[in-house]
Amino acid sequence: AQSVTQLDSHVSVSEGTPVLLRCNYSSSYSPSLFWYVQHPNKGLQLLLKYTSAATLVKGINGFEAEFKKSETSFHLTKPSAHMSDAAEYFCVVTEGAGGFKTIFGAGTRLFVKA
Amino acid sequence: EAGVTQFPSHSVIEKGQTVTLRCDPISGHDNLYWYRRVMGKEIKFLLHFVKESKQDESGMPNNRFLAERTGGTYSTLKVQPAELEDSGVYFCASSQVLVVSSALAHNEQFFGPGTRLTVL
Repeated sequence: AQSVTQLDSHVSVSEGTPVLLRCNYSSSYSPSLFWYVQHPNKGLQLLLKYTSAATLVKGINGFEAEFKKSETSFHLTKPSAHMSDAAEYFCVVTEGAGGFKTIFGAGTRLFVKA
Repeated sequence: EAGVTQFPSHSVIEKGQTVTLRCDPISGHDNLYWYRRVMGKEIKFLLHFVKESKQDESGMPNNRFLAERTGGTYSTLKVQPAELEDSGVYFCASSQVLVVSSALAHNEQFFGPGTRLTVL
């Protein structure tokens, strides 16, 4: 069965410092993994996706994530935080077999201090 | 290309009333999903249409919720009668699945901005 665990409900960083948002998953099949971001009063925007190609995935706005099968992790990173990165981030898993079940993590709210 | 749109953006109704939410997917997307986020909780899957057919409605909370997708284009989600616990943000998403194998498919979903429902 699928599950997604975002290990931190809140992360606070200073502007210009690295960002790490952690995500662990479990899946019975070959999963597709996504990170979405939601800014206040906006919809969910795709940051990046892993779909069985390269394990290091680069996304928009300088974000990247590495799929580590042995650790069942898909952590999101960015070398240098910007104030505009303050938002809520969701790790999402979909499975290719059956009905494309989609499971969201609980979300991590990122705060960026000046 | 227009994205997924949802209407209304906000709805405030009283307990016992009926509300209908609408989602217009990206043109050509066969898959349409409804999700809900109740305050402070996770985003939960409600149901999945493939064209006009319900592929999976296992996430629908109870029979007060009715989703339709007549003609396989836009979808509506009706709540009748609304209860206090139905308050939350309702998201719609659409996708066009690329099947790679029997065990792997790419399913990038494009989300609408959501409808914030408040039941008083």
